[in-house]
Amino acid sequence: EPEVTQTPSHQVTQMGQEVILRCVPISNHLYFYWYRQILGQKVEFLVSFYNNEISEKSEIFDDQFSVERPDGSNFTLKIRSTKLEDSAMYFCASSGILGWRGYTFGSGTRLTVV
Amino acid sequence: EDQVTQSPEALRLQEGESSSLNCSYTVSGLRGLFWYRQDPGKGPEFLFTLYSAGEEKEKERLKATLTKKESFLHITAPKPEDSATYLCAVQASSGGGADGLTFGKGTHLIIQP
Repeated sequence: EPEVTQTPSHQVTQMGQEVILRCVPISNHLYFYWYRQILGQKVEFLVSFYNNEISEKSEIFDDQFSVERPDGSNFTLKIRSTKLEDSAMYFCASSGILGWRGYTFGSGTRLTVV
Repeated sequence: EDQVTQSPEALRLQEGESSSLNCSYTVSGLRGLFWYRQDPGKGPEFLFTLYSAGEEKEKERLKATLTKKESFLHITAPKPEDSATYLCAVQASSGGGADGLTFGKGTHLIIQP
């Protein structure tokens, strides 16, 4: 069964550093998403991406964050000047042409900011 | 603002003991209600999408139902491998197909042998 692949599985970074989280969505999917889950809390929507541009973003997704689809397969989330409160699991997801019928999530990247 | 409330927060059952998990929601217009399963340290795994009141879907020991205000995930004769956190999420119909999901906190289900 097709999978969404995320790398790395765990990243530790120092406060103030920039990190890039990487995702390879399912190949024929058109909609791409980033979510985060702080330990013990809800899964929260960050941003959706369609047709090479941001489609929707939440209040969490401020100027510190950016997304890019640098080629036909990768989808990245960049977090600039990381803060302690950015520590969380970050999930990438993708969906097909009827995006609202359900997503496939990746296994996540655990980001720890120290 | 869209809201999703799940109950109970945690549930411990004996193997074979059937039960139901609840998801109440408020949303400006429902495009879809989603159920996911999440194992520790993993991403949510898609189970069901429900679109309109009265709809039901089944998969193995799980059955999801939907009303205008809530959804239930019924688990029949559960096995230890059904132990996981079950997440409910909604997507509003106000925007386009790429709108984000609003999740509940989940129900942590433990099935004891």
